[in-house]
Amino acid sequence: QQPVQSPQAVILREGEDAVINCSSSKALYSVHWYRQKHGEAPVFLMILLKGGEQKGHEKISASFNEKKQQSSLYLTASQLSYSGTYFCGTAAGGNTPLVFGKGTRLSVIA
Amino acid sequence: GAGVSQTPSNKVTEKGKYVELRCDPISGHTALYWYRQSLGQGPEFLIYFQGTGAADDSGLPNDRFFAVRPEGSVSTLKIQRTERGDSAVYLCASSPRGPPGEQFFGPGTRLTVL
Repeated sequence: QQPVQSPQAVILREGEDAVINCSSSKALYSVHWYRQKHGEAPVFLMILLKGGEQKGHEKISASFNEKKQQSSLYLTASQLSYSGTYFCGTAAGGNTPLVFGKGTRLSVIA
Repeated sequence: GAGVSQTPSNKVTEKGKYVELRCDPISGHTALYWYRQSLGQGPEFLIYFQGTGAADDSGLPNDRFFAVRPEGSVSTLKIQRTERGDSAVYLCASSPRGPPGEQFFGPGTRLTVL
């Protein structure tokens, strides 16, 4: 079942923070975050496995609440280069394929 | 090193024709995935190979779609009797090992069925 991402789109000024949420109705084993710029391939950001850990990547971090089947991606002090569409992909098991959400379009303006 | 490459980058065909899309994964990556992405949507899983064998083909929409990876490296996605609804960007990704690892995506093949 496809995870639900919110918001669908967000516009930020440089330096502002944002949170992107990903929710599933199924129990999750892992959550994966990717960023895709227009006309380009998706690029991996991070994986979170069940256990509620938080991970970080530059000024981008994420959390995974397995009880709520939710993950949140945190972007702090946003930069112009953060613009793109962010997708979460969820897997119900360790060897099951990813199901991606519809994406959140993030635009950072000067 | 070289990333995942896909050819052709664009393919225009007529309804009913047969097409082949090629994916060259990163050298040494044992896992290879095919996805389809329509405008405004996330990638949709089609099939996953571990080595030469299809480990999961549950995402193939119907029997017009078929994929092979005969030597455990290059993969070809084959679509028979194409339909207008097959128009999309077909993405390939590879990974050093199977799920749930990081996937490295190629630039995609944009397929347009007229």
